[in-house]
Amino acid sequence: GENVEQHPSTLSVQEGDSAVIKCTYSDSASNYFPWYKQELGKRPQLIIDIRSNVGEKKDQRIAVTLNKTAKHFSLHITETQPEDSAVYFCAASINRRGNQFYFGTGTSLTVIP
Amino acid sequence: SAVISQKPSRDICQRGTSLTIQCQVDSQVTMMFWYRQQPGQSLTLIATANQGSEATYESGFVIDKFPISRPNLTFSTLTVSNMSPEDSSIYLCSVDTSGYNEQFFGPGTRLTVL
Repeated sequence: GENVEQHPSTLSVQEGDSAVIKCTYSDSASNYFPWYKQELGKRPQLIIDIRSNVGEKKDQRIAVTLNKTAKHFSLHITETQPEDSAVYFCAASINRRGNQFYFGTGTSLTVIP
Repeated sequence: SAVISQKPSRDICQRGTSLTIQCQVDSQVTMMFWYRQQPGQSLTLIATANQGSEATYESGFVIDKFPISRPNLTFSTLTVSNMSPEDSSIYLCSVDTSGYNEQFFGPGTRLTVL
C-alpha cells in the first residue's frame, strides 16, 4: 500500500515569513494530493489539493507543488499569520471514486507574532 | 458544500461497553469513510462504508470490533465494541460530496474510555 512521509513534524516561523512542509509518497499510481489544516479541537479542513496533471497550484498565500518523478509534494505558505498556526496533514490517493486516503504524520506549525 | 454532522460530539464510557457513533450528511453520497485519530496523531482509516453492501475494513480493524451500518445514502453508524482505554480517540466520518475524490470531514466524536 501507499506510504506517505511528512516533514518536519514541528515548524516555528516568525509572522510574515514563509513556511514549507514536504511530503513524499511511495505508490506511483497515486495522483491526488490534498492538504488539510486542523486547528486544535476542530475537524480537518481541506485547504488545497493538486492532481497529477499539474505541477503547481496556488490559492492566495497557499501553494502546492508536485514532482511526480521524485514522488514528493510540498505546501508553501507565504506571509504567514498567527491564524495559520495549526497542524497540517498531507495525503495521497488514487483519483478514483471512493479510494482511500493515506495521510502523513502531520506538521504542527506555529506562527510567532 | 455539504453539511456533515456527528453524534455524539463526545462521550465518556466504561471499559467493556459499546458506543454507536452516527454520521449524517445533508446530501446523498456514495462513499462514507470512518477514521480514527488518536491523541496527537494522524488520521487512520478504519473502513469505507458503501450503501447496500458490507463495509471494507483496513488492515488492523475488524468488523466484530467496529461494526458499521450504512442504511441509506445520507447516514452511517460506527460502533466501537467492548471498549478498552486504548480505544480513546477522536472518531471522524468523511464523505466525498464533490465526486472528485475530495473528502470532507465531520466534526468528530471524542471518545474517552475509563
